[in-house]
Amino acid sequence: DQQVKQNSPSLSVQEGRISILNCDYTNSMFDYFLWYKKYPAEGPTFLISISSIKDKNEDGRFTVFLNKSAKHLSLHIVPSQPGDSAVYFCAASGSGSARQLTFGSGTQLTVLP
Amino acid sequence: NAGVMQNPRHLVRRRGQEARLRCSPMKGHSHVYWYRQLPEEGLKFMVYLQKENIIDESGMPKERFSAEFPKEGPSILRIQQVVRGDSAAYFCASSPRRGGTNTGELFFGEGSRLTVL
Repeated sequence: DQQVKQNSPSLSVQEGRISILNCDYTNSMFDYFLWYKKYPAEGPTFLISISSIKDKNEDGRFTVFLNKSAKHLSLHIVPSQPGDSAVYFCAASGSGSARQLTFGSGTQLTVLP
Repeated sequence: NAGVMQNPRHLVRRRGQEARLRCSPMKGHSHVYWYRQLPEEGLKFMVYLQKENIIDESGMPKERFSAEFPKEGPSILRIQQVVRGDSAAYFCASSPRRGGTNTGELFFGEGSRLTVL
């Protein structure tokens, strides 16, 4: 039972263009949604988050949009840079007694120079 | 380096051997989460511990796997009698409180990659 889904395993964009990564969830009890970035052989690093009571959060080139009625969130990166090439994980917080993060399966973003 | 420290970074075991993975949380953090990432998959929650207590082990296989977080020293994830299916990256994350920071953030280590021959 996947509570957090990333349906696109990979995405390629040209440098300077916008990257849009998508994520869907099923559990309406999640209270925070986070994006983590991961390079090969490294641990995930936090990128940006959004509260379930907001619909947008922006931090520099990164913006996360939340559509609660659709149970959908997206991460926009603009402009995309080659250094952004990594696996991006969507994660949700607030479920379970441990309030652990529940992760999607990830999207490999490749930014082409 | 005040980050989450995991060791060993790489571990090779033969089937039937034991694997021990260690995690030292960030300074000031007393909450530890263990996750497993199988090839081509996302991170799956295994267990949540506070100092000296296992709080939630709902994601951990019932047999062969155990975890501890003693009063002194690192948290340890122990896998007995390893099988090939245990080959994965194991990540530890720490937090100052249950559920991460006030925005849900957990701080991850660089992982321990277990290969079972």
